[in-house]
Order: sequence, then C-alpha cells, then structure tokens
Amino acid sequence: EDQVTQSPEALRLQEGESSSLNCSYTVSGLRGLFWYRQDPGKGPEFLFTLYSAGEEKEKERLKATLTKKESFLHITAPKPEDSATYLCAVQGATNAGKSTFGDGTTLTVKP
Amino acid sequence: NAGVTQTPKFRVLKTGQSMTLLCAQDMNHEYMYWYRQDPGMGLRLIHYSVGEGTTAKGEVPDGYNVSRLKKQNFLLGLESAAPSQTSVYFCASHDAGSGANVLTFGAGSRLTVL
Repeated sequence: EDQVTQSPEALRLQEGESSSLNCSYTVSGLRGLFWYRQDPGKGPEFLFTLYSAGEEKEKERLKATLTKKESFLHITAPKPEDSATYLCAVQGATNAGKSTFGDGTTLTVKP
Repeated sequence: NAGVTQTPKFRVLKTGQSMTLLCAQDMNHEYMYWYRQDPGMGLRLIHYSVGEGTTAKGEVPDGYNVSRLKKQNFLLGLESAAPSQTSVYFCASHDAGSGANVLTFGAGSRLTVL
C-alpha cells in the first residue's frame, strides 16, 4: 500500500526566511511524485512532478527535490503570497495510476 | 476553458436526506475521481472512473455511489446522508497515459450534514 507522510503539519515563517517541507513516501514502483498547492477554499493546483531520485525542479521561489525515500520542497526567501497548504502525492505502478496524498503542510508567511 | 466544474458549491442536508454532486470537465479526460478532504487531513479517494460507463471503489467508498454515464460528467450520490459525511468534496480528472498523470481539480463542494 502506498503511503505519504508530510512534515511539519504547520510552518510559520517570516518573510524572507527560507525553509523546507518534507514528504516521506513508500510506493511500489514510483511513477511520479507530485507537489500541489492549495489555497483556502480552493482546489489543489499542480506545482511539480518528479520521476526519479536526484531530479530537481524549480519555479520562482520553490524548488522540489527527490530521493528514493523522500522529497523536499525548498522555499527560498518566501513572500506572504506563498502562504498556502502544500500537498504531496505519489502514483505507483501497482496502484493503477491512482494518487495517494499526504495530509499537507500549511505554510504561513508573515510580512 | 472551464476545466473541472463542481455543483453545488455549498449544501446543507439533514441526516437521512439524499443528494447528488455533479462534476463536469471539458478537457476530454478519461479518468475522473471523487475525493473528500477533512480538516487537517489529506485527500481520500472515494470512487473513481477510468472511462465512460465505468466506476470503481476507492479508499472510503461506504455511503456513496457514483455514475459516469457521459465521459464529461461524474456524479457522486449520497443516498442517506450522515453527519460523518460532512466534508469538502473535490472532483479531479486526468487524461489517459502510461506515465505519471497530473490531476486537475475542481473548486470543491462543501457539504454539511446536520
């Protein structure tokens, strides 16, 4: 059974204070690891897909990295508009393409 | 391009009442999913469909039924609502493919069962 654990549950940062969110996973045959952003009252929006250990992807102040057991979402010099819940999900080869989600990390960036 | 549209956005039910949530997508996606999201928890899969006329159970299917009579629509039904079904429901879809598939989500439907 695929499993995803995200930490911390909540993270409060000052504007400009860099940090990282963690996503630990177990999956049989990783097809892809996904990061989504969810704003209050809205549906999740896609950020990144990572396919294999060592891969990295960047978008503005966000950088996602992947190892065989975990993924990190690094946030560099965050701004208040980066405040959101960040969800991690995996798709495994034996799960018919269905996504398994973690509980999310709620990030709050104070000005 | 509307993407994934869910109706209604909000609904209050009394215990034992029935209702249907509608999900419509205009991207010609094969796969569609219904998730529920409870406070502090991630998305849990209720039911899904891999194409028109097909449905399958997810992680938490009890108390729900679904239908996919048309490719663009995926309906989630509650026959006899219970307070435990108070939640935010999200519909999502993606195209068929052999690789990793990015989900496109609707804005959610907030259901309260009294």
